[in-house]
Formats: sequence, structure tokens, C-alpha cells
Amino acid sequence: GENVEQHPSTLSVQEGDSAVIKCTYSDSASNYFPWYKQELGKRPQLIIDIRSNVGEKKDQRIAVTLNKTAKHFSLHITETQPEDSAVYFCAALRAGAGGTSYGKLTFGQGTILTVHP
Amino acid sequence: DTGVSQDPRHKITKRGQNVTFRCDPISEHNRLYWYRQTLGQGPEFLTYFQNEAQLEKSRLLSDRFSAERPKGSFSTLEIQRTEQGDSAMYLCASSLGRGPRDTQYFGPGTRLTVL
Repeated sequence: GENVEQHPSTLSVQEGDSAVIKCTYSDSASNYFPWYKQELGKRPQLIIDIRSNVGEKKDQRIAVTLNKTAKHFSLHITETQPEDSAVYFCAALRAGAGGTSYGKLTFGQGTILTVHP
Repeated sequence: DTGVSQDPRHKITKRGQNVTFRCDPISEHNRLYWYRQTLGQGPEFLTYFQNEAQLEKSRLLSDRFSAERPKGSFSTLEIQRTEQGDSAMYLCASSLGRGPRDTQYFGPGTRLTVL
């Protein structure tokens, strides 16, 4: 089955710096890669996602890049703010038949991001 | 609130007791998922439904676990004869179930503590 590895497990930055979180996946049939942010005691919330027919996607201060050949994808947060502090999870979803998805999300282990004021 | 809801939010039980959790998905979402999350880990897939059909069950889902979605709307997850290792956050998610970019929206979770 799919295996998703995420690094680093903790990341500490100063406010205004950039943060990069990297993930690798094992199943070449995976074609959808969402990123979730989870604040303490709260539900995971989708912050950005990318499909395998796209190499990069940006939404304001957040961007995601995908290298399908190397099976790598990364989250980039620029101009970090204290409210970006949370646990970030990458995930992978395998394509199903008929243009649908397989259903099961496989998550990475998470990265605890701390942004110091 | 039109998001995914779960009930109860917290459950404390003694080892050996049965517990049941409920999940109400976003209306018109055909797919409903159950995940388990332990401290410091990412959510782990347990099972999912397309309407009322249970399409996949993880090997994590032992015989003590059963999930239902009888009318294709809300779902229940039952754990029989709970063990201390069952202590975790149980997350429910739902999605439209169409297309390859099928975003899953999570509920707030039910935190289970088995004493």
C-alpha cells in the first residue's frame, strides 16, 4: 500500500521567515496530494492541494510543488506569522477507476511548525 | 454549522465496555470516512462508505470494530470490548465522491479514553 514520509517532524522559524515541509510517497498511482493544518484540539483543515497533472500551485503565502518523477511534494509558507503555528500533514490519494479517487487518504507523520514573534 | 459533526466529542469508558460514535456528514456528500489519530501521529484510515456501501476496511479495523451507514446519511462506529489501546481521537470526514480531486472535510473528532 501507499506510504508517505514527512520531514521535518518539528520546524521552528522566526516570524517573516519561510518554512518548507517535504513529503515523499511510494505509490505511483497516487494523483492527489492535499495538505492539512491542525491546530491544537481542532480538526484537520485543508489549506492547499495539488493534482499530479500540475507541478506547482500557489495561494497567497502558501505554495505546493510536486515532482511526480521523484515522488516528492513540498509545502512552502512565506512570510510566516505566529498564527501559522500548528501541525501540518501531507497526504496522498490514489486514483480510482472512471476518473474518481480511491477514497483512502494516507497521511504523513506531521510537522509541528512554531513561528516565533 | 453545515460542516461535519460528531457526537460525542469526548468519551471515557472502562476496559471491556462497548462504545458507539456518530458522524453526520456534510449534506449531499456521498462519501464518509473514519480515521483514527493518536497523539503525535497523522490520521490513519479505518474505513469508508460510498452512500450506504462500505467500500474498504483497513486491517486496523479488528473484529471488535464495526461501522454502518444504513441510509447513506449519518454513520456510526461501534467498538466492542474496548481495550486501552483503543484510546485515540476518532475522526470522521466526508466528501462529494466525484472526480479525482475529492476533498475530504473533517469533523471535530471524538476523543476516546479507555481506563
